[in-house]
Amino acid sequence: GENVEQHPSTLSVQEGDSAVIKCTYSDSASNYFPWYKQELGKRPQLIIDIRSNVGEKKDQRIAVTLNKTAKHFSLHITETQPEDSAVYFCAASSPLRFGNEKLTFGTGTRLTIIP
Amino acid sequence: DSGVTQTPKHLITATGQRVTLRCSPRSGDLSVYWYQQSLDQGLQFLIQYYNGEERAKGNILERFSAQQFPDLHSELNLSSLELGDSALYFCASTRTANSGNTIYFGEGSWLTVV
Repeated sequence: GENVEQHPSTLSVQEGDSAVIKCTYSDSASNYFPWYKQELGKRPQLIIDIRSNVGEKKDQRIAVTLNKTAKHFSLHITETQPEDSAVYFCAASSPLRFGNEKLTFGTGTRLTIIP
Repeated sequence: DSGVTQTPKHLITATGQRVTLRCSPRSGDLSVYWYQQSLDQGLQFLIQYYNGEERAKGNILERFSAQQFPDLHSELNLSSLELGDSALYFCASTRTANSGNTIYFGEGSWLTVV
């Protein structure tokens, strides 16, 4: 089955600096890669996603890049703000039989923005 | 608000007991997923249903079971509870079971086993 590794597990950056979180996946058939942000005690919320036919996607201060050959994808947050502090999860969607798919999550990165 | 409704929000119960967590997916969503998140841990996939049928199984214990009803709501049953079952249980839903569908999470059910 799919295995998703996420690094680093914790990350502290100065407010205004950039943060980068990296994930690798094992199943070359995976074709959808969402990123979720989870604040303490709250539900994970989708912040950006990318599909395997696209190499990069940007939404304001957030961008995701995908390298299918190397089987890794990254989340980039620029001009970080205190409200960006949260746990971020990457995920990879691998197709199963009957047109089904399974979303496998990384282990999460606790991002702390230092004012 | 994601549109996915979970009840109860908080639950405290004793070891050995049985509880049922309930989930109503977003309107129109046919696929329901259950995830377990222990303290400071990642999201562990438990099980997925699509239109009433089990579609995929993850690290779900034999003491746990789930089902999806004709009205598409789902229930996760946890029995013979142990202290280690204390966790936040999330339900999530998607429109179909196909790849690339955005998964929307409910607010979760906090289970504390004492």
